[in-house]
Amino acid sequence: LAKTTQPISMDSYEGQEVNITCSHNNIATNDYITWYQQFPSQGPRFIIQGYKTKVTNEVASLFIPADRKSSTLSLPRVSLSDTAVYYCLVGDIGDYKLSFGAGTTVTVRA
Amino acid sequence: EAGVTQFPSHSVIEKGQTVTLRCDPISGHDNLYWYRRVMGKEIKFLLHFVKESKQDESGMPNNRFLAERTGGTYSTLKVQPAELEDSGVYFCASSQGTSGRNEQFFGPGTRLTVL
Repeated sequence: LAKTTQPISMDSYEGQEVNITCSHNNIATNDYITWYQQFPSQGPRFIIQGYKTKVTNEVASLFIPADRKSSTLSLPRVSLSDTAVYYCLVGDIGDYKLSFGAGTTVTVRA
Repeated sequence: EAGVTQFPSHSVIEKGQTVTLRCDPISGHDNLYWYRRVMGKEIKFLLHFVKESKQDESGMPNNRFLAERTGGTYSTLKVQPAELEDSGVYFCASSQGTSGRNEQFFGPGTRLTVL
């Protein structure tokens, strides 16, 4: 499994854009990059997934450079309700065992 | 559509007692997973069912843990006898497929406290 490194915590204010960068230097050819979000007292929730370049959905954008050794989750115009732990996961397309690291605790303040 | 549900939400038991956790996956999801986070640690995979069959038990910590999924619907995870180090949050998840690209839907978890 590719090891991931992401910041332990980030602080932001409502309305700002939050960018969380995850490093995965030993990512393999068949690996996908997936981000999950976890609110207090809830289970993780899938946010976005990508292989290369850029992916965007209604919640976030995921930027992946050509070498794929890192990725950046972008949360546009955050609100207080975006306060959560965000996990970067890297895994083979055939691997169903999700491997969660420590995640990044994002705190959004008014 | 209902999401993954888990029961109970909290359980407090004495060391040596037995506890059974229940998970109801999303209807139609053949794949069911158990994960757990013990105190101060990361969320770790325990096991995977496809319908009623155990496909992968590689994450089960020891033989005090027994998971079942009779009929391929809901699943139970029994801990017998419970030890202090079993305290943590147990999550259940389900998915339609087993590809690494398949989104796993998680339940809210069961917080287990062993005293």
